[in-house]
Parts: sequence; structure tokens; C-alpha cells
Amino acid sequence: DQQVKQNSPSLSVQEGRISILNCDYTNSMFDYFLWYKKYPAEGPTFLISISSIKDKNEDGRFTVFLNKSAKHLSLHIVPSQPGDSAVYFCAASIVSGGSNYKLTFGKGTLLTVNP
Amino acid sequence: EPEVTQTPSHQVTQMGQEVILRCVPISNHLYFYWYRQILGQKVEFLVSFYNNEISEKSEIFDDQFSVERPDGSNFTLKIRSTKLEDSAMYFCASKTLYTGELFFGEGSRLTVL
Repeated sequence: DQQVKQNSPSLSVQEGRISILNCDYTNSMFDYFLWYKKYPAEGPTFLISISSIKDKNEDGRFTVFLNKSAKHLSLHIVPSQPGDSAVYFCAASIVSGGSNYKLTFGKGTLLTVNP
Repeated sequence: EPEVTQTPSHQVTQMGQEVILRCVPISNHLYFYWYRQILGQKVEFLVSFYNNEISEKSEIFDDQFSVERPDGSNFTLKIRSTKLEDSAMYFCASKTLYTGELFFGEGSRLTVL
């Protein structure tokens, strides 16, 4: 039961260009969304999050967009740098109603930024 | 910067043996989690722990698994009798009361032979 889907297993972009990573979800109860970055043999590192009351959140080169009606979110990285090469996981959570905030992850997208 | 630490980084064990994976969450965090990632698959939720008790567990977290917070700092995951399919990377995570972000440790790689 894939409640969080990342349909692109990989993405390759040139240094300096924009990277757009996409994520879809099916559970309408999700109200908090996060992006994590993961290098091999390391744990996921939190990048940026967005609450369902917003449609955009920006932090430096990273911007997350949320389209609730389409149950879709995306992560934009501008400009992309070779050090951004990693697996990016989309995750979703239910934070309202006293839940335990567990994250449901997508399968990840491997981003390769070419110099 | 505070971080979640996990030990051991890698453990090799024989099928049927007991394994304990240890985690030290960030000190002011109140929610604790174990996740695992089988090679090539997605990160899967195992269990969440809050206020000294399990708040939720997945169907993966059967009677062979247990968690405890024995001394107020460590958070452990025990697998009583390991199976080959328990081979995975196990991640501990913790969270404050006020934000939705989980902070993950570097992981413990478990190899069951």
C-alpha cells in the first residue's frame, strides 16, 4: 500500500540548473510533508518541510510546493550543485489529532548533479 | 549540533541469535522511533515510543521485536531470534514535542547469516 509515491527512481541534471523532484500521496489525512536527503550508508537528513496550511516553503536553494487538491508536492533545488547528489525521500505525516507523528516514506529518487 | 547516535554501526549475527541495537536520541526529544531499510527498498516504520510506552507499531514489529528506554537516555531495539529477512539498515529517530521533523541517526547495519 504505497501511500507516498515517488515515481521517478532517478533524475540527472547539470550543475547550476534546477532540479525538480516530485511526490504524490494518497492519504488525505496527511497534513505535514517533509523532504529528506540520504547519502549511502548514512541516515536520512532532514531538508525542508511544509504544513498543509501552506502551499510553498522556501529555505535557501530549496523550495517545497504543495498542491493539496492534486495530492502532489515537489522539491525544487536551484541552483543544483554536485554535492546535492543523493537519494531524496519524500515523507508524510499526520500531526493533528494527537498522533504519534510517524513518517511514511516514498521509495526515493536518486538525484545526480553533473559538473 | 545535537545528533542521534547509534551503535553498533554494523553487526553480523547468526540466524536465531538475539540482537540489541542501541540509540541515544537528542537529549530534549520526547518521541522516539525505529525504522528499517532493506537493501534497495524504502525506509519502513517499525515502532514509535512516547511517554515510556509504545504508541504505534507496524505489522513488521511482531513478537520477536521489543523496545525499551532503560535509563532515560538510551533507546534500544531488541530482536529476540533473528531471521535472514531481518538483514537491513536500522535507523533510530527522535523528535521534539513542538515540531514535525524526525532526526535520524546514521543507522546500524544488521547482517543475519
